[in-house]
Amino acid sequence: ILNVEQSPQSLHVQEGDSTNFTCSFPSSNFYALHWYRWETAKSPEALFVMTLNGDEKKKGRISATLNTKEGYSYLYIKGSQPEDSATYLCAPGDTGGFKTIFGAGTRLF
Amino acid sequence: KAGVTQTPRYLIKTRGQQVTLSCSPISGHRSVSWYQQTPGQGLQFLFEYFSETQRNKGNFPGRFSGRQFSNSRSEMNVSTLELGDSALYLCASSLNAGAGKTQYFGPGTRLLVL
Repeated sequence: ILNVEQSPQSLHVQEGDSTNFTCSFPSSNFYALHWYRWETAKSPEALFVMTLNGDEKKKGRISATLNTKEGYSYLYIKGSQPEDSATYLCAPGDTGGFKTIFGAGTRLF
Repeated sequence: KAGVTQTPRYLIKTRGQQVTLSCSPISGHRSVSWYQQTPGQGLQFLFEYFSETQRNKGNFPGRFSGRQFSNSRSEMNVSTLELGDSALYLCASSLNAGAGKTQYFGPGTRLLVL
């Protein structure tokens, strides 16, 4: 997987608002997709790993969906709080090997 | 369990020097990956080691090298440093290698090349 795109690059939301952003990746040879959250001055932390088309994962107010046929995943945050401020990274992996390619991230503030 | 540790946390070097960074994975993890992050760039994959073998390498020049020891600790070496090597270097460990692995990241080593 060579080309991973995340949009938007950055996003400002008001406290209490819900938001979502996108990770796009080549759909061929898909194996799994990870979402990570990277808070300032901390290390990236895993949120979800998704493997099946139609997968939906949820952790508190954060959820994600996966469409492997068209090559995208959405991350949703419901009722944004200040602690949600972070960069959200997606990392799809293909069946080809061990390389994990990270998107550039969506910075939420 | 203790998390991933990286040493040193901060480093200042001058052009032409070389540097070695160290990463100790979570106990029991056999895979270690290295990433570089520069301002405005995402995490760029350097390489991954699993059971002392390099499994994959990113698009970096040969000045970047690494190794993994039998206890799964890993080192990354950059020779003939250039100004553009100034970056945050993160290592991440995982139980297994492969595209489905969940990675646990260390705090990073911030390298400044003058």
